[in-house]
Amino acid sequence: SQTIHQWPATLVQPVGSPLSLECTVEGTSNPNLYWYRQAAGRGLQLLFYSVGIGQISSEVPQNLSASRPQDRQFILSSKKLLLSDSGFYLCAWSVLGNTQYFGPGTRLTVL
Amino acid sequence: EDQVTQSPEALRLQEGESSSLNCSYTVSGLRGLFWYRQDPGKGPEFLFTLYSAGEEKEKERLKATLTKKESFLHITAPKPEDSATYLCAVQARGSQGNLIFGKGTKLSVKP
Repeated sequence: SQTIHQWPATLVQPVGSPLSLECTVEGTSNPNLYWYRQAAGRGLQLLFYSVGIGQISSEVPQNLSASRPQDRQFILSSKKLLLSDSGFYLCAWSVLGNTQYFGPGTRLTVL
Repeated sequence: EDQVTQSPEALRLQEGESSSLNCSYTVSGLRGLFWYRQDPGKGPEFLFTLYSAGEEKEKERLKATLTKKESFLHITAPKPEDSATYLCAVQARGSQGNLIFGKGTKLSVKP
C-alpha cells in the first residue's frame, strides 16, 4: 500500500531564516506530487506541483521554491522566510492526476 | 474563474440528528469533485470522488451526491466521532490534477 511522509511535523523559525520541508511517497512510481498551504480561515492553496523528476510548476508567485530530486521525493524550500509564510504545509500525491492523497502536514510558525 | 463555496461554515448537531453539507462550484469543465475529512492538526483524509451529475457514493453514515452546480454530503444519524472539518474540492478538465478547495464546513456532533 502507498504511504506518504512529511517532516518535520512542526517547525518554528525566525524571519529571514531558510526553510526545507521534505515529502516522500512509498509504494507507487512516477506519482504527481503537490505542495499546498493551509492558512487559518482560508482553504487549501496549491503552491507547486510536479509530474516528474525535475519538473516543477508554480501556481502562486512567492518566496518559496520546490524541487523534485528523486521520483518519490518532493522538497519545499525558502532562502528567507517571511511572517506570511506561517501555515500548515501539506504534501499530496496522485496517479495520473486523479484522486489526491495527503500527508500528515508540517506546522510552520515564523516568528 | 473556477471556484468552490461550502456552506454552512459551521454546523452543530446532536448525535443522531441527520443533516447535509453543501458544496457549490463553478468550473470550466468538471473532471472530478472530491470530498475530504480533516481532523485538527492532520492532513485531509479522502472520502469520495464524484465524476458526473447524478452520481452518488456512500460510506458508512456518509452519502455524497452531485449535480451540475453543487454537491451534497449527507450525514445520517451522526456520531460524535464524525466531528471534523469536511472539505470539498473540484478538478477541472485539462488540469494536471490541481484541486480547487472550498474553505470547509466544521461539523460538531454532541452526544
